[in-house]
Amino acid sequence: AQTVTQSQPEMSVQEAETVTLSCTYDTSESDYYLFWYKQPPSRQMILVIRQEAYKQQNATENRFSVNFQKAAKSFSLKISDSQLGDAAMYFCAYRQGAQKLVFGQGTRLTINP
Amino acid sequence: DAGVTQSPTHLIKTRGQQVTLRCSPKSGHDTVSWYQQALGQGPQFIFQYYEEEERQRGNFPDRFSGHQFPNYSSELNVNALLLGDSALYLCASSLTGYSNQPQHFGDGTRLSIL
Repeated sequence: AQTVTQSQPEMSVQEAETVTLSCTYDTSESDYYLFWYKQPPSRQMILVIRQEAYKQQNATENRFSVNFQKAAKSFSLKISDSQLGDAAMYFCAYRQGAQKLVFGQGTRLTINP
Repeated sequence: DAGVTQSPTHLIKTRGQQVTLRCSPKSGHDTVSWYQQALGQGPQFIFQYYEEEERQRGNFPDRFSGHQFPNYSSELNVNALLLGDSALYLCASSLTGYSNQPQHFGDGTRLSIL
């Protein structure tokens, strides 16, 4: 069974600084998708960034980028120029095809002004 | 373009009761997945519905059941409620055949069991 592990329960960063959230996963599949979701106190799960496993190039969305290491089964999220609005729970998730999302335990990110 | 909508927002029940949660998918989506998120945890997959049938199921007891209607909306039913069923229930929709597209989530229903 696929598993996703986030080893950092909490992280904090100064506003305008850069922070990296870690995620590792376990799968025997070669074709899959990886996601980072953000969940603010409002509860809605918001997609931050996604990566297709067959793509070697790391995904980037404005201030958010990933470091995807397929062989190491690692998928970290880098947030540059952190803003107060980035404060939230961040979840790493795995999906194969149209199947279920498998989530990690989450990392609570605090932004210090 | 309406996103995923869930109702009710919050619900309080007592042990042994039954509850029904509702979800309307994003316009154009045909697949609905349900997740249970306990406080401080990541969401856990309950089941997924497509073409009015349960297509996948997670490790949840038969007390959890669902339904999908011809308009793609869905219900999650939980019978014989236990204290441990207290959680945020998230609905996510997607379009089958486009697996490169992410699932879209609703705001969730907070279920509290007394």
